[in-house]
Amino acid sequence: SQTIHQWPATLVQPVGSPLSLECTVEGTSNPNLYWYRQAAGRGLQLLFYSVGIGQISSEVPQNLSASRPQDRQFILSSKKLLLSDSGFYLCAWSASFGQGLGDTQYFGPGTRLTVL
Amino acid sequence: QKEVEQDPGPLSVPEGAIVSLNCTYSNSAFQYFMWYRQYSRKGPELLMYTYSSGNKEDGRFTAQVDKSSKYISLFIRDSQPSDSATYLCAMSGATDSWGKLQFGAGTQVVVTP
Repeated sequence: SQTIHQWPATLVQPVGSPLSLECTVEGTSNPNLYWYRQAAGRGLQLLFYSVGIGQISSEVPQNLSASRPQDRQFILSSKKLLLSDSGFYLCAWSASFGQGLGDTQYFGPGTRLTVL
Repeated sequence: QKEVEQDPGPLSVPEGAIVSLNCTYSNSAFQYFMWYRQYSRKGPELLMYTYSSGNKEDGRFTAQVDKSSKYISLFIRDSQPSDSATYLCAMSGATDSWGKLQFGAGTQVVVTP
């Protein structure tokens, strides 16, 4: 079965510091990968998605970036955090096109980021 | 206007009652419909997945899709306090190369003992 991991679970960082959040998926190959942010009491905001190694698309312009160095690894980064970057960051995966599973996405446990 | 509208609640019901949740949408191309449950400080977990119109039942959960009205519903029978969570609807059109989902804002449900 497939599993998705995120770490760290919780992070408190000062404004202006760098950020690196990691997500890995097990039990599937060539997944589509997604980064979302969920502000308190708000819906899910898609930040980045990737359909393959090195292929990243950005949905929202901001000071965050994403990379996919390996098939099942997705990293969210920032060089300098802003207060507005605080939130709950979720990684998700879905089967790649043609595997007959529609567009169902499966989420990781999330990382709660507080920028002070 | 948002593509997917969902009442944020909170929706408070007594234990054992039926919980009724719904979403409306504007894009007639949507074909895949999902419901996710999200407990506080956790990632969303998939509850129900339906393709096109009709009903789907899984234990205490029933999902309905009415494409003619652009309206989907989730019913939870015999609700339990453990059903207290935020429920998000999600949907997408014909599968493209990366499967972007449109999410509702989520409805907070509180089941009181």
